[in-house]
Amino acid sequence: KQEVTQIPAALSVPEGENLVLNCSFTDSAIYNLQWFRQDPGKGLTSLLLIQSSQREQTSGRLNASLDKSSGRSTLYIAASQPGDSATYLCAVFNTNAGKSTFGDGTTLTVKP
Amino acid sequence: DTGVSQNPRHKITKRGQNVTFRCDPISEHNRLYWYRQTLGQGPEFLTYFQNEAQLEKSRLLSDRFSAERPKGSFSTLEIQRTEQGDSAMYLCASSLVGEGGYTFGSGTRLTVV
Repeated sequence: KQEVTQIPAALSVPEGENLVLNCSFTDSAIYNLQWFRQDPGKGLTSLLLIQSSQREQTSGRLNASLDKSSGRSTLYIAASQPGDSATYLCAVFNTNAGKSTFGDGTTLTVKP
Repeated sequence: DTGVSQNPRHKITKRGQNVTFRCDPISEHNRLYWYRQTLGQGPEFLTYFQNEAQLEKSRLLSDRFSAERPKGSFSTLEIQRTEQGDSAMYLCASSLVGEGGYTFGSGTRLTVV
């Protein structure tokens, strides 16, 4: 059974800092890994999708990496802004399971 | 395409009542997933469909929960005899087999009083 862990559970940084969020998973037989953003009381917005054959994906100030052998992914946010404050969730899709397993998220607060 | 649509956005119901939620996926997506999320936790898998076939149902789902996806289009999730522990956000996502990647709706927030 896939288990996904996100550390830290919460993170507070001053505006402008670069930061890294971590996601680890136990079963490396994955099809893809997806990072989401969730604002309070809202649904999940997809940020980046990394296929199992890829090492990283970039979108604007966001960069996600994937290391299947070590069961780890990181989400790098450059030059953080107060608008980046949200909960960030990673989801790991296993082909044999047919579905994604989610971590509990990291809640990010960026202070002006 | 307007994305994944969920209705209602909010539902308050008395304990013991039945409730039904609807999800309209992205039209070309053949997979549809239901997840449940409580405060401070990540989404937990409930069930999923490929076209009209329900392929898996989590052991988290008691017999009070049922989901359907007639004709492989929209889906409904029904909870019978609601309990306070059913209070949560119910999330629907769709995807295209072979390409991966979920697209989520805005969710339905259920409060059982």
